[in-house]
Order: sequence, then C-alpha cells, then structure tokens
Amino acid sequence: KAGVTQTPRYLIKTRGQQVTLSCSPISGHRSVSWYQQTPGQGLQFLFEYFSETQRNKGNFPGRFSGRQFSNSRSEMNVSTLELGDSALYLCASSLWTGGGGYTFGSGTRLTVV
Amino acid sequence: DQQVKQNSPSLSVQEGRISILNCDYTNSMFDYFLWYKKYPAEGPTFLISISSIKDKNEDGRFTVFLNKSAKHLSLHIVPSQPGDSAVYFCAAMGNTGTASKLTFGTGTRLQVTL
Repeated sequence: KAGVTQTPRYLIKTRGQQVTLSCSPISGHRSVSWYQQTPGQGLQFLFEYFSETQRNKGNFPGRFSGRQFSNSRSEMNVSTLELGDSALYLCASSLWTGGGGYTFGSGTRLTVV
Repeated sequence: DQQVKQNSPSLSVQEGRISILNCDYTNSMFDYFLWYKKYPAEGPTFLISISSIKDKNEDGRFTVFLNKSAKHLSLHIVPSQPGDSAVYFCAAMGNTGTASKLTFGTGTRLQVTL
C-alpha cells in the first residue's frame, strides 16, 4: 500500500510570505502528526489531528496552524515566514491517536530566504 | 527543556562489531519508547520499540534495553553492517496528558566502516 505522501518535496519562500504543506496519510490511517526537524534540535512536535480535530499541540507560535479533512489528508500552514522556519517538515500517520505506530513521510524541505 | 537526550552526536563502528546507541530521558511519565532510523532526504523509519513493563526487546540484529530506574535506554545492533549507517533517533511517549505525541532526542549519527 502507498506510504505517507508529502507535497511538495522542496520549497523556497521569502521572509514574510506564507506557505501551505500537504500530507496524505496511509489509507485507513486517521491520525496525522506534524514535526519540524532542524539541525541540533531533532524532531519537534507541531500538532496532531485525528478525525478532523486537533488533539494535541506543541510549543510553536500561532503562525503555525493546521487542519485535517474528512479524507484524513492534512495541511499545515505557516504565515509570516521567518528565516528560522527553514527546516524539514515531517508528517506521520497512524491508525489511531496515541498508538505509537507512526509511519513518516519523506518530508518537505522548506527554505526561507 | 530536552526531555529525551542522546548525548553522542556521532558514533563510528567497524563492520561486524556491535553498535551501542544510548538515550536518556527525564520524564518519568514516559512509558513507551521507540527507535527510528533516518537516511538523508527520507523520513524516519521505525526500528524497534519497548514498553516500560519490559526491560528488553529483540528483533533480529536489533535489541533495545530499558533501565527504568536510571531512565536510560540503549539500542544494540549486532553485527553492524554498512547499510546501518544513518541517523538514529530515540523517541518516547507516555501518559502525560499528551499521549499522542512523540518526544524525540536529537539523534546519533552512526557510521559503520569497512
């Protein structure tokens, strides 16, 4: 079966712009989580959606937001981009929330210039 | 506040030898631990996990040990192979009211040399 698909793979944006990243989970998976990976910081949890509801949120400013659609696909949005937002954004899906069986996508590499 | 720590940013091991990757955590509410492997330009891939009710879990060449009193876990890879060269992340989750998230360490880059 198809894995977790993230689009686009690479993105270059200018400071102050906004960006939307997309994640299509594995078929049947209802939970989608987002993580930010930066050098030296590891993977930092952004938020998790389950059945179109945000279940948990990490310690990121309100410029970071997300949503989940009825088909479990998820998008995350970052507004007013800053240079420090340059990172690899990873999406992970699982059947249920809190189950630990997370499968990650290959990520979207965002560069803010 | 780094609740999951991997204090060795890199490790080099000869092919055929044992690789031991270490991870420490501070939050006593964590009760489930996972190891992920990550190649460049790919997402992390799940390797092995362990529940806090166990102290060892084995899967082929990979064994994870958990010492709850020391809040320490380790991943053993025996024998190490060149294809094991990657970044390894330790992750934890638990009944902290935020059970739906993984808390990751900063990773250890393993290089297996010929």
